[in-house]
Amino acid sequence: DAKTTQPNSMESNEEEPVHLPCNHSTISGTDYIHWYRQLPSQGPEYVIHGLTSNVNNRMASLAIAEDRKSSTLILHRATLRDAAVYYCILRDADGANNLFFGTGTRLTVIP
Amino acid sequence: NAGVMQNPRHLVRRRGQEARLRCSPMKGHSHVYWYRQLPEEGLKFMVYLQKENIIDESGMPKERFSAEFPKEGPSILRIQQVVRGDSAAYFCASSTGAGINQPQHFGDGTRLSIL
Repeated sequence: DAKTTQPNSMESNEEEPVHLPCNHSTISGTDYIHWYRQLPSQGPEYVIHGLTSNVNNRMASLAIAEDRKSSTLILHRATLRDAAVYYCILRDADGANNLFFGTGTRLTVIP
Repeated sequence: NAGVMQNPRHLVRRRGQEARLRCSPMKGHSHVYWYRQLPEEGLKFMVYLQKENIIDESGMPKERFSAEFPKEGPSILRIQQVVRGDSAAYFCASSTGAGINQPQHFGDGTRLSIL
């Protein structure tokens, strides 16, 4: 699986939007971009995924650059419950079925 | 709709004992994955199973660890003769299929402590 690069940590004020970046300059044409998050003392939680087009769901939006070398997870209005480690993961058709969790971005939400 | 259920949530064992961790996937899911998270580290893949078959065990230690997913009942991760280094959180995930656009749904893990 191609590698991703994320900032180690970010802070956001409560009720403000959060943009979590992810670089994946070696992404291949068939790689899907997945985002998961892990709240304290819980298992990872699926957030969103996409291939080329931007995606929206009830949790977040995923903005994918035109060249697909980077993507941004957007939380439209951060709440204290959004404090977690966010993982950007690439999945390719030729790769293993498992998820490769890097170090992720630890998001702190300030009340 | 029940999510992925793991039990026990916490398990304490003495060195040399056996640990058995159970995972019931979401209803309708026939693909199960086990991951391990050591303290202050990220999750690492261990094994991927479908009903009655081990598909990929490339992340599983060669000795003392085994996994199964029988036709009936939960998936079991077994650790024999546990050592202090086995202390970790063990997470199970399930999915409906193996496609790369299929999300994996995780349980809240079993925290194993070795005395």
